[in-house]
Amino acid sequence: DGGITQSPKYLFRKEGQNVTLSCEQNLNHDAMYWYRQDPGQGLRLIYYSQIVNDFQKGDIAEGYSVSREKKESFPLTVTSAQKNPTAFYLCASSPTSGGISEQFFGPGTRLTVL
Amino acid sequence: AQSVSQHNHHVILSEAASLELGCNYSYGGTVNLFWYVQYPGQHLQLLLKYFSGDPLVKGIKGFEAEFIKSKFSFNLRKPSVQWSDTAEYFCAVIMNSGGYQKVTFGTGTKLQVIP
Repeated sequence: DGGITQSPKYLFRKEGQNVTLSCEQNLNHDAMYWYRQDPGQGLRLIYYSQIVNDFQKGDIAEGYSVSREKKESFPLTVTSAQKNPTAFYLCASSPTSGGISEQFFGPGTRLTVL
Repeated sequence: AQSVSQHNHHVILSEAASLELGCNYSYGGTVNLFWYVQYPGQHLQLLLKYFSGDPLVKGIKGFEAEFIKSKFSFNLRKPSVQWSDTAEYFCAVIMNSGGYQKVTFGTGTKLQVIP
């Protein structure tokens, strides 16, 4: 069953702690993306990666970090420097790195920082 | 910088009413346009897309969208909505920037269909 998995579905952390959100895809897609979804603000791009060992900052990268050591995995770390980390985080992937293609989304992780 | 505007934040319709959701973008180059839908508790999924060719694009579940280049618009339409269309709808623009896909989403429109 191909798709994108994100774990966990709900995550609670204390303020000041770093937390890593998992994203795995078995679609053999080259590109992967992290978005943050807040009510009334739509999806905002945090980081994206077109190929392994390469990634680019999106529109709201401050306070976040990523790695892309494997094609199928693109974990996102929310650091203590992120001023407002409580949000719904969506991971996506797309099949091509050079051309334009649609994105496929995971189920999301809802992060709550207490 | 490219941007996407969805002016309708919350739309309430009765079943069988016609739907049109606005989407405008600001980018002068070649664009690729998408509408995504997020049903309650479900993944974001593709509704339809425009890359080139016929500016009237048909998608799943009876939705269609028309690309009007002169108006920088890509409005979503459905002649007769159903209760099951209750969801949040997002317009997105993708452009190629230096070999990378730069993606921008609109803020979304919540559609509530009343039986």
